[in-house]
Amino acid sequence: GAGVSQSPRYKVAKRGQDVALRCDPISGHVSLFWYQQALGQGPEFLTYFQNEAQLDKSGLPSDRFFAERPEGSVSTLKIQRTQQEDSAVYLCASSLAGGSYEQYFGPGTRLTVT
Amino acid sequence: AQKVTQAQTEISVVEKEDVTLDCVYETRDTTYYLFWYKQPPSGELVFLIRRNSFDEQNEISGRYSWNFQKSTSSFNFTITASQVVDSAVYFCALSEGYSGAGSYQLTFGKGTKLSVIP
Repeated sequence: GAGVSQSPRYKVAKRGQDVALRCDPISGHVSLFWYQQALGQGPEFLTYFQNEAQLDKSGLPSDRFFAERPEGSVSTLKIQRTQQEDSAVYLCASSLAGGSYEQYFGPGTRLTVT
Repeated sequence: AQKVTQAQTEISVVEKEDVTLDCVYETRDTTYYLFWYKQPPSGELVFLIRRNSFDEQNEISGRYSWNFQKSTSSFNFTITASQVVDSAVYFCALSEGYSGAGSYQLTFGKGTKLSVIP
């Protein structure tokens, strides 16, 4: 079946621009996560949705980062006024339900801020 | 707070050698979950295994095996008879479970880059 998909795969933004990154989770998966992966590092948690409810946004690095999942399926991560330190790969993952279920990851969006 | 340490940054082995990737974790919870993921050069994280804190049985899947020891807070991963296709970055991760304020987010180690030389 179809896995998690993300778009765009690559994004170059000039400093100060706004960007929107999209995630299509596996159909029927209740939980959706966003992670940020800097070069040479492990992914770091940003935010978590259970259906349309954003239950945890403790990992968002600043108020320039905003995520939504209005209908409980597709999610968008928006970064306003991008800065060079925002350059990273942004990974989306979904899992069947909350709890201990394994998370399945998309291919990521590589964001480069120039 | 939870933490995962993968002390080996890079490992190189010759094809057909066995290799063990180390993972040490820290958590205050009694219920938690441990994971291994593979990230090949293409970049997509591939799920390999999930274990819960109450199940210390070792697991074998083909050439892969995992050794979970609560006494040493370790969850090591062994590849037997390594192949070139095993070359990737391997991440160990920990989930502490829902605390009411948090989620089942994964805390990852920094990863171990495995290179299998033909």
